[in-house]
Amino acid sequence: DGGITQSPKYLFRKEGQNVTLSCEQNLNHDAMYWYRQDPGQGLRLIYYSQIVNDFQKGDIAEGYSVSREKKESFPLTVTSAQKNPTAFYLCASSSRTSGGYEQYFGPGTRLTVT
Amino acid sequence: GQQVMQIPQYQHVQEGEDFTTYCNSSTTLSNIQWYKQRPGGHPVFLIQLVKSGEVKKQKRLTFQFGEAKKNSSLHITATQTTDVGTYFCAVPKRTDSWGKLQFGAGTQVVVTP
Repeated sequence: DGGITQSPKYLFRKEGQNVTLSCEQNLNHDAMYWYRQDPGQGLRLIYYSQIVNDFQKGDIAEGYSVSREKKESFPLTVTSAQKNPTAFYLCASSSRTSGGYEQYFGPGTRLTVT
Repeated sequence: GQQVMQIPQYQHVQEGEDFTTYCNSSTTLSNIQWYKQRPGGHPVFLIQLVKSGEVKKQKRLTFQFGEAKKNSSLHITATQTTDVGTYFCAVPKRTDSWGKLQFGAGTQVVVTP
């Protein structure tokens, strides 16, 4: 089946630790995105990548880092510098289709930092 | 900067009733997308509107793009419990980077049987 996978579904970490969230897609999409969603809120863009070995900061990149070494993979690291890391993290991908670039989302990772 | 407002933030609906949710932009849009997120789930793409005044239907859901391409609406008829979730509109960010979307805050729909 084609799609986006994120692992793990739930993640618990102690404050001060870095943690890496996995995102893999087999849709052959060029662009990938990371969003953060807080309870009752919309989606806020953390980082995005339009091509391998290139990525750009989104609206809330502070305290996060990414890499795009392969087209299929776009891992997100939540560093200890992120002040409020507890949230629902969503990865998405899109392709240049005629008229627009609808995004396909993975199931998400719920990160809890205590 | 570009602003996207969704109204209402919450919508409580009796099963079988109709309702409409709105998405308003501060700028003229090239297109608008709608997504649905079920409780505990992830957003799923529903539809994209491109043309001024465009109307598209998906079963009981009717999507409309305003004539000025600055607003859109989603109308659901005969609401069912399967319609529960949060509906987001998303618009292209005004940058040179293709594919980037700005999401509204969403309309959370609760259906009472």
